[in-house]
Amino acid sequence: DTGVSQDPRHKITKRGQNVTFRCDPISEHNRLYWYRQTLGQGPEFLTYFQNEAQLEKSRLLSDRFSAERPKGSFSTLEIQRTEQGDSAMYLCASSHALNGLYEQYFGPGTRLTVT
Amino acid sequence: AQSVSQHNHHVILSEAASLELGCNYSYGGTVNLFWYVQYPGQHLQLLLKYFSGDPLVKGIKGFEAEFIKSKFSFNLRKPSVQWSDTAEYFCAVNAPNNDMRFGAGTRLTVKP
Repeated sequence: DTGVSQDPRHKITKRGQNVTFRCDPISEHNRLYWYRQTLGQGPEFLTYFQNEAQLEKSRLLSDRFSAERPKGSFSTLEIQRTEQGDSAMYLCASSHALNGLYEQYFGPGTRLTVT
Repeated sequence: AQSVSQHNHHVILSEAASLELGCNYSYGGTVNLFWYVQYPGQHLQLLLKYFSGDPLVKGIKGFEAEFIKSKFSFNLRKPSVQWSDTAEYFCAVNAPNNDMRFGAGTRLTVKP
């Protein structure tokens, strides 16, 4: 399967703990996006990378959130000192920035539950 | 800033009924438009997209959407729905070099 993969698929953590999620994009895609989706809502943009450069961060992304894409391939999203409000599905997507066509392919998501 | 509005939160139809889901966006420049579908327990999948050219675009599974620039709309249609179309449908917009904005989604329930 050459689609976008995310790990883990589910994470249960206690409030105050740190968590890290990983996303592996489609191999030839140079753009990688992180979104958060809560029940009954559409995905909300968090941040995106073009290669290893983080080009945009949403104002939704508090300083407890950090994302990296060190070699321009896989990416990690870390949440420090988790809060119950962080419980959501975290989605990763990738695309190829070619001729302005930014069709994004989504992974299965990581469901985070903060207890 | 871009925003996307989906007018219907939950639509319930019987099989063979026709479907139209509304989507309006706010952005004055050139945009790319998408409809994504999320079947129960599955991840988001692209249904169809509009970048340029013919404003009536056809997607998978018999879906189509019409881009009406003057109305800032990109409504999704299907002439005859099936039970297997039960899913959540998301309209999304991005302008070149900008991030993707999604609507809140419309849950479609098709009764057999």
